Amino acid sequence: LAKTTQPISMDSYEGQEVNITCSHNNIATNDYITWYQQFPSQGPRFIIQGYKTKVTNEVASLFIPADRKSSTLSLPRVSLSDTAVYYCLVGEDYKLSFGAGTTVTVRA
Amino acid sequence: EAQVTQNPRYLITVTGKKLTVTCSQNMNHEYMSWYRQDPGLGLRQIYYSMNVEVTDKGDVPEGYKVSRKEKRNFPLILESPSPNQTSLYFCASSLRGAGYEQYFGPGTRLTVT
Repeated sequence: LAKTTQPISMDSYEGQEVNITCSHNNIATNDYITWYQQFPSQGPRFIIQGYKTKVTNEVASLFIPADRKSSTLSLPRVSLSDTAVYYCLVGEDYKLSFGAGTTVTVRA
Repeated sequence: EAQVTQNPRYLITVTGKKLTVTCSQNMNHEYMSWYRQDPGLGLRQIYYSMNVEVTDKGDVPEGYKVSRKEKRNFPLILESPSPNQTSLYFCASSLRGAGYEQYFGPGTRLTVT
């Protein structure tokens, strides 16, 4: 299972775009990249998933370069309610743990 | 409404007193999983189940047991709880595996004294 590396924390201000980059150098050919969001004392919530190039939904965009060794989650025009921990996961196996994630703090 | 439910939500118990945390999903998902979350450590997988009667260890299975007798239920059993099992526990389910979108329960906050 590919390991991932992402920044521990990021600060931003309301209305800005937040980009979180995740490194996964050992990603396997069949692995998908998935991002989750977690608020304090709640279970993680699925945000977006992709395999290559770019994926966009109503919440975020996911950019994946051709070599797939990294990916970037983009949150457009963040608000205070986007303050949360964001996890990057790679793999399609059954065994999977989340790392410490990236704590994003949005300030007014 | 599609959901994963856990009970109890909060539990304070004493060392050695067996307990069970229930987990149930109504989405006919094949895959279910238990995680524990401790400050600074993210979510670590305890056990997972690929389908009925099929379970396997995650990263931190010591001190826990699970069973999957029905597709919808996946209880977590602590035969002899210890203080180091004080944690926030989450149950999750997905269509087929960890790579599919996982739906998480609300969490169970367990304190073992």
